[in-house]
Amino acid sequence: QKEVEQNSGPLSVPEGAIASLNCTYSDRVSQSFFWYRQYSGKSPELIMSIYSNGDKEDGRFTAQLNKASQYVSLLIRDSQPSDSATYLCAVPKAAGNKLTFGGGTRVLVKP
Amino acid sequence: GAVVSQHPSWVICKSGTSVKIECRSLDFQATTMFWYRQFPKQSLMLMATSNEGSKATYEQGVEKDKFLINHASLTLSTLTVTSAHPEDSSFYICSARKTPSGAFREGSGGNYGYTFGSGTRLTVV
Repeated sequence: QKEVEQNSGPLSVPEGAIASLNCTYSDRVSQSFFWYRQYSGKSPELIMSIYSNGDKEDGRFTAQLNKASQYVSLLIRDSQPSDSATYLCAVPKAAGNKLTFGGGTRVLVKP
Repeated sequence: GAVVSQHPSWVICKSGTSVKIECRSLDFQATTMFWYRQFPKQSLMLMATSNEGSKATYEQGVEKDKFLINHASLTLSTLTVTSAHPEDSSFYICSARKTPSGAFREGSGGNYGYTFGSGTRLTVV
């Protein structure tokens, strides 16, 4: 089992719809979780971090965490063509704080 | 705050030569920085953890003699790709994390994410 798993996509959504991205992780003791957006040829940029069970909202983005199920998700409301990118789920390893990435989900928002 | 600068943004070099990539934390001190490599259509793979004032810690399968890391100050880490080969062509990205001063319990809140440099596209010909 991979440490952080994501569906590779592409996830195709019409403009204005909600994009739902999922991520599972294997280390039960993980405490913090990050979602990054990466445009082609660019480095990742942080969108959201979440530490507690439940939902965390920031603008059009909502992160959801369920530690019992080892599951974290990202919702993008009112999707825009500029949201087309690869979204990376990342979880620090308990030892050394090394960030482990999922394979990323490619999102395509069609006008 | 929490800006990481990486230089150069792209470089082309001949096989057998060495290339140095710099990573600087501009507005915070980073005792630890991380170096990643990303091949096309793949995710980021951690190469090594750069520790200020001590030896870097390399991930399994990464040649420490080929990828030299130096972290001589709290704001600068360098990665040198020695005797570069075409298979070393990749996107190299550094990262650092700004943490708050004083006692900090992971998961206690805040948004202290890992910040990435802009990346270096290395092409070895």
